[in-house]
Amino acid sequence: EPEVTQTPSHQVTQMGQEVILRCVPISNHLYFYWYRQILGQKVEFLVSFYNNEISEKSEIFDDQFSVERPDGSNFTLKIRSTKLEDSAMYFCASSFNGGEKLFFGSGTQLSVL
Amino acid sequence: AQSVAQPEDQVNVAEGNPLTVKCTYSVSGNPYLFWYVQYPNRGLQFLLKYITGDNLVKGSYGFEAEFNKSQTSFHLKKPSALVSDSALYFCAVRPPDSGTYKYIFGTGTRLKVLA
Repeated sequence: EPEVTQTPSHQVTQMGQEVILRCVPISNHLYFYWYRQILGQKVEFLVSFYNNEISEKSEIFDDQFSVERPDGSNFTLKIRSTKLEDSAMYFCASSFNGGEKLFFGSGTQLSVL
Repeated sequence: AQSVAQPEDQVNVAEGNPLTVKCTYSVSGNPYLFWYVQYPNRGLQFLLKYITGDNLVKGSYGFEAEFNKSQTSFHLKKPSALVSDSALYFCAVRPPDSGTYKYIFGTGTRLKVLA
């Protein structure tokens, strides 16, 4: 079965530094998402992306966050100046149809020190 | 506000017994409903979905879920639990035709199947 791949699996950074989390969604999918999960708890929506633009974002997704699909295959999440509270597992997901099931990557564990 | 509730943080069940993991939602209209499972250090995996039609939907690994519109519930069930079913289960909804592509997840229920 096709997979969503995320790199790196773990990222450690200092507070205030920029990080870029990378994702390769399934090739024929059209809808892309970032979610995060803190300490194995609730999965929180960050942003959805369709037709090369953000379709919706949450209140968590402030000016420090941005997403990009630079080359038609990668989908990146950038945090410009990381905070301690950004420490979480970040999941990328994609779907072919916005109403259909999501395919999740295995996540990037971000630790901000 | 739109929300999903999973009232039990943890459900314990003996192997071979039936299991139920509860989910209720508060979303206007007729939402799309999903169950996902998460194993340790893994991403979420799709189990099943309800969009329309028969209220009882069957999914992966012998799981099924029952949609109850009047109670706004979508409980996950399995007739006979396995130890390997032990994992974190998430209910999710996607509001229909609302212009949003956001899926709303519940807080998760940890299922522990005891041998």
